[in-house]
Amino acid sequence: DGGITQSPKYLFRKEGQNVTLSCEQNLNHDAMYWYRQDPGQGLRLIYYSQIVNDFQKGDIAEGYSVSREKKESFPLTVTSAQKNPTAFYLCASSINSGGPNTGELFFGEGSRLTVL
Amino acid sequence: AQSVAQPEDQVNVAEGNPLTVKCTYSVSGNPYLFWYVQYPNRGLQFLLKYITGDNLVKGSYGFEAEFNKSQTSFHLKKPSALVSDSALYFCAVRRALNYGGATNKLIFGTGTLLAVQP
Repeated sequence: DGGITQSPKYLFRKEGQNVTLSCEQNLNHDAMYWYRQDPGQGLRLIYYSQIVNDFQKGDIAEGYSVSREKKESFPLTVTSAQKNPTAFYLCASSINSGGPNTGELFFGEGSRLTVL
Repeated sequence: AQSVAQPEDQVNVAEGNPLTVKCTYSVSGNPYLFWYVQYPNRGLQFLLKYITGDNLVKGSYGFEAEFNKSQTSFHLKKPSALVSDSALYFCAVRRALNYGGATNKLIFGTGTLLAVQP
C-alpha cells in the first residue's frame, strides 16, 4: 500500500549528539514536510521541500537540517544546536499542484525523540 | 499573517449528542481550510477540506464542517458523537494559489481534544 514511513518510532539521544529521522514515501508526491509537535502548541513547520534537490526553511528551522536527494526520501537531522529537541516529529507529503487535492497532506506515524 | 485559532483546548460531549469543534481563521484572500484528526501517538489523518463551492462540507466518519466567510469560521460538526471519535482535532489553513507563490504549507491550530463519554 502507498504511504509514508517514518523511522524510528521512538529514539533516545544523549545531549550533544546529532540524530537523523528517516521519512520515505511511495505516493509519488513532489512535496514533503517536517513538522514538530509539542503539547499545547499544535504543529510547527521545520522544513519543507517542493521538489528534489530543493528545500526551504519553515518557522522553526534552527538546529535542524534536511536533504532531498531523492523524491521518495526527506530525512531530518536534529543537531546538537537544537536547544530543546524532545518532541514528536511528523513527516508529511502532498501533491504539489493546484488540482482538487491541493493542500491535503498525508502524514507518517511520527517519531518520538527524547533527549536524556 | 495567516493564523488559525481553536479556542477550546478540550470539548466534552456525551455519546449520541451532537458535537462542535470550533475554528476561526485569518488569511488574506480566499482560504483553503482543513480538518485533521490525530489518535494517540499516531500521525494526522485528513478529515475534510473547503476550497470553494458549497459552504457545508462533508468528510470522513460522518463529520462535516461549515464555512462562514463573514465570521471567518470553519467549525467541525457531527450530529451524533461516538466514543471512538475521541481524539485530537486540528484545523488548518493555507492561502489559495491565485495569490501567487503559495505552496501547500499549512498553518495549524493548537488542537482541540474531543472527549466523548459513554
